[in-house]
Amino acid sequence: EVQLVESGGALVEPGGSLRLSCSASGLTFIHAWMTWVRQAPGKGPEWVGRIKSKINGGKIDYAAPVTGRFTISRDDSKNTLYLQMNSLKTDDTAVYYCAAGVGTSDFDHWGRGTLVTVSS
Amino acid sequence: QSALTQAASVSGSPGQSITISCTGTVSDVGDYDHVAWYQHNPGKAPKVLIYNVNSRPSGVSHRFSGSKSGNTAFLTISGLQPEDEADYYCSSYTGSSTPYVFGTGTKVTVL
Repeated sequence: EVQLVESGGALVEPGGSLRLSCSASGLTFIHAWMTWVRQAPGKGPEWVGRIKSKINGGKIDYAAPVTGRFTISRDDSKNTLYLQMNSLKTDDTAVYYCAAGVGTSDFDHWGRGTLVTVSS
Repeated sequence: QSALTQAASVSGSPGQSITISCTGTVSDVGDYDHVAWYQHNPGKAPKVLIYNVNSRPSGVSHRFSGSKSGNTAFLTISGLQPEDEADYYCSSYTGSSTPYVFGTGTKVTVL
């Protein structure tokens, strides 16, 4: 059974930083394309960014609202995906989900999410 | 890239069929067959029901089916069951620098 478990969500002040992790099991992580998706309160999901598998070049793409502030990385030896979030804004308040693409789409499997609240 | 438009809520009685729509543009739903549907119970992991417009992952009930016409995609739930009560979201590939856009979400209530 594929499991994705996000962690690291917290309450942080505007301008602060946070690092989220997504621990994966039950899949061949090195082959997975990993994506971060967020969902602000009362809104639909929003694509944040994606990192391809190293065998597919490892390219990283970001949504415009987070470009230059967020950094996605992966540690294939630990089956873990990361999201480093800097210069956080109140608009970044959301539940952050990681998703794994293992063949049929970019979002074959999802985690339960971790809540990030940016507030003073 | 604007979010795909979904009705805020849809309801039906057990055993009925309901259809949820997801309206995009010629640049996303209308241009690509990479439309997916997800079922989400708050606090749980979203679950993929449909990918590539009308394909079902293994293990997903045949009661869920997808289709598309022009810029609008549809998810039909046949034989509605109480456990189908959840939030449903669509997504589409866009081919742009933000490769995916999601829908606004539809809350399904089983009466």
